[in-house]
Amino acid sequence: AQSVAQPEDQVNVAEGNPLTVKCTYSVSGNPYLFWYVQYPNRGLQFLLKYITGDNLVKGSYGFEAEFNKSQTSFHLKKPSALVSDSALYFCAVSRLQGGKLIFGQGTELSVKP
Amino acid sequence: EAGVTQFPSHSVIEKGQTVTLRCDPISGHDNLYWYRRVMGKEIKFLLHFVKESKQDESGMPNNRFLAERTGGTYSTLKVQPAELEDSGVYFCASSQGGQGNTEAFFGQGTRLTVV
Repeated sequence: AQSVAQPEDQVNVAEGNPLTVKCTYSVSGNPYLFWYVQYPNRGLQFLLKYITGDNLVKGSYGFEAEFNKSQTSFHLKKPSALVSDSALYFCAVSRLQGGKLIFGQGTELSVKP
Repeated sequence: EAGVTQFPSHSVIEKGQTVTLRCDPISGHDNLYWYRRVMGKEIKFLLHFVKESKQDESGMPNNRFLAERTGGTYSTLKVQPAELEDSGVYFCASSQGGQGNTEAFFGQGTRLTVV
């Protein structure tokens, strides 16, 4: 069965510091991996995806994620956090093109000035 | 371009009542998905339409939930009769191609509270 784990319910970082939001997955075959962000009172917004190719994927707002097949991880990173990055982040995986997304529980990111 | 819109944004109903949620996808998107997030837990897939056909409804919790997409445009999700455990945020998403290949665009969600 497919599953996604986000081991941290909350991540706290100081503005200007690097941030990492962790995600590991379990899926048979080649995964399609996604990160979404939800700002307060907003819908989920797409950040980035890994389909195939380069393991380092760059996305919106300066975020990037690294696909690590051996560790089955897809951690989200940003070199320098902003207060405006504070939001709820979801990792998701799909086994098939056009298939359903399996989401993690979400990680609340708090960036303090 | 208008995004995915959902109505209502909030709904509070009593146990045993009926509620209908609506989703208007982005124009031209054949794929429409319903998801639900119960308080503090992961977002769970409910079902997937391709145009007006149900492609995958494996996530529908039980027969109290009925989804339709007549004409392949907007979709409705009806809960009848509602139970306390149906409370949560219901998200709709749409995409042009297969969701695994093309990112899905999500609506703001409908927060359903059953009391």
